[in-house]
Amino acid sequence: GAGVSQSPSNKVTEKGKDVELRCDPISGHTALYWYRQSLGQGLEFLIYFQGNSAPDKSGLPSDRFSAERTGGSVSTLTIQRTQQEDSAVYLCASSFPSSLVGGYTFGSGTRLTVV
Amino acid sequence: AQKVTQAQTEISVVEKEDVTLDCVYETRDTTYYLFWYKQPPSGELVFLIRRNSFDEQNEISGRYSWNFQKSTSSFNFTITASQVVDSAVYFCALSEAGTDKLIFGTGTRLQVFP
Repeated sequence: GAGVSQSPSNKVTEKGKDVELRCDPISGHTALYWYRQSLGQGLEFLIYFQGNSAPDKSGLPSDRFSAERTGGSVSTLTIQRTQQEDSAVYLCASSFPSSLVGGYTFGSGTRLTVV
Repeated sequence: AQKVTQAQTEISVVEKEDVTLDCVYETRDTTYYLFWYKQPPSGELVFLIRRNSFDEQNEISGRYSWNFQKSTSSFNFTITASQVVDSAVYFCALSEAGTDKLIFGTGTRLQVFP
């Protein structure tokens, strides 16, 4: 597609359940990023992929969070045993590697609500 | 450590007013990049501009202009003759050379009233 696609757009889950968030980057973009935006906050970096490897996962808040990328394309962010503080909008972005010439292209995000 | 500060949490103006959004950054690197993004109510972040640390020329794009001053570590954004469609949250961000990670400020919510 023309843009970064994220699914689902909204997810409500019960505390303690696992959730999977999906990101389809722009075709040809080898770099992929996950950010989290909590209410009234800025964007918090979670993890960065270059191809299928993650050279920087320093932003993952706990071991309940993990992400993978397959085929240099689709990425899945998994949150296990969700907690209420995990409620946020999870944004995915992609770009050409190390160029940042045009900045990232962001998806519309997945709004996660943990009840 | 890298840090981006957007001290203005919210700004309200009336249409056709000029408005400046402030951004102050901290970095130890001499080579870095600065960005502005717009997040309209729809939620999707829109890239506005990227500047590298060696280019201090001010930039103008239509009603938008950016003032980069290394001496004060600031990268301010001015909207001239604001319009209702400019209402959004605006984020300033920093990236150091050699990393692809953007460090964002907390954003400034701009409301333009007709």
